[in-house]
Amino acid sequence: GQQLNQSPQSMFIQEGEDVSMNCTSSSIFNTWLWYKQEPGEGPVLLIALYKAGELTSNGRLTAQFGITRKDSFLNISASIPSDVGIYFCAGQMGTGGSYIPTFGRGTSLIVHP
Amino acid sequence: DAGVIQSPRHEVTEMGQEVTLRCKPISGHDYLFWYRQTMMRGLELLIYFNNNVPIDDSGMPEDRFSAKMPNASFSTLKIQPSEPRDSAVYFCASSRTGTVKNIQYFGAGTRLSVL
Repeated sequence: GQQLNQSPQSMFIQEGEDVSMNCTSSSIFNTWLWYKQEPGEGPVLLIALYKAGELTSNGRLTAQFGITRKDSFLNISASIPSDVGIYFCAGQMGTGGSYIPTFGRGTSLIVHP
Repeated sequence: DAGVIQSPRHEVTEMGQEVTLRCKPISGHDYLFWYRQTMMRGLELLIYFNNNVPIDDSGMPEDRFSAKMPNASFSTLKIQPSEPRDSAVYFCASSRTGTVKNIQYFGAGTRLSVL
């Protein structure tokens, strides 16, 4: 089956620092998704990417769909305490009606004030 | 829209007891998914439905787990009998064919503790 490697597994940073995390896959995807899960809640979609090379921003968040279609990156600029949570990447093939995502293991982010 | 609604939010039970988790998907969504989240395994897809029909239950750990979707607005995940290793957070998610690449929307989850 498809495997997603998400790194780093966890990050401990100071408020104001920039954050970078990434996902790599053993096979290609047609869609990349980034979710954030806050403590005690379910994952919430942050950014969706649909084309290789696509760069999309959502406030201080920027995500890119790798040109090989096997990877994706998420950057958070000028982190703040409310950025704390677990960030998940997910890839979808989206062919033949199959839109079932494969999730990474998540990157746990802790921001120190 | 109210989003995906799960109940209960927390469930504490004793080993051997039956546990039923409930989910109300977003109105109009035709896919429903059940996930389990643990520290060891991350997010695992257990089963998903399309138009109330189970499509793939290969992620269901064993026969003690069963899921039903009697109508478009309700689904249950049942564990009978429950075991301590079933302790986890269980999420329900829904999506809609034809909209923005079938993006999944998650409920807040049910935290299950089996003592």
